Amino acid sequence: AQSVSQHNHHVILSEAASLELGCNYSYGGTVNLFWYVQYPGQHLQLLLKYFSGDPLVKGIKGFEAEFIKSKFSFNLRKPSVQWSDTAEYFCAVNPTDKLIFGTGTRLQVFP
Amino acid sequence: DTGVSQNPRHKITKRGQNVTFRCDPISEHNRLYWYRQTLGQGPEFLTYFQNEAQLEKSRLLSDRFSAERPKGSFSTLEIQRTEQGDSAMYLCASSFGLAGARTDTQYFGPGTRLTVL
Repeated sequence: AQSVSQHNHHVILSEAASLELGCNYSYGGTVNLFWYVQYPGQHLQLLLKYFSGDPLVKGIKGFEAEFIKSKFSFNLRKPSVQWSDTAEYFCAVNPTDKLIFGTGTRLQVFP
Repeated sequence: DTGVSQNPRHKITKRGQNVTFRCDPISEHNRLYWYRQTLGQGPEFLTYFQNEAQLEKSRLLSDRFSAERPKGSFSTLEIQRTEQGDSAMYLCASSFGLAGARTDTQYFGPGTRLTVL
């Protein structure tokens, strides 16, 4: 079955630390890849997306993700996190029209 | 506000009652999706519409669930004879998608939190 795995369920960092959240998917065909973020009390927002082209994708708020086809991965990175990055992060793929989400990673950033 | 809106934001009901949720998509979007999210999980797909046509339904969507999008604009999701296991956040998303293409981006609403007592 098609699935998305986010192995980091809960990440705790200090401000200015670097961040990398893992995302792996299981689907052999062409997929589009997404990272969504949910800040406390807010709805899901698109952070970045990959459809084709340059596998290094830049998103909002200094986030980027790299698509590595051979590893079926789409890891999210940020060189220096801020307290305001505290949120839940969801990786998603759409092998068909619907989105398949991972279980999410809760990020807590302490000042 | 031109985003996706959902009403009500919260609904508390007793087991066995029927509930209906409404979603108003972004105005020019032709696709509308329903997802369900439970604690500690990512959203799970329930169903989606392209204009007024319901194109796909998840196996998660039992016979007690029905969704409509009568004029290709807003959509309603009805749950009949609610059960405690239906307690979840129900999310709506919309996008503009071309036939045969999967390059649309889904924008989510704030969700309706359902609690079944």
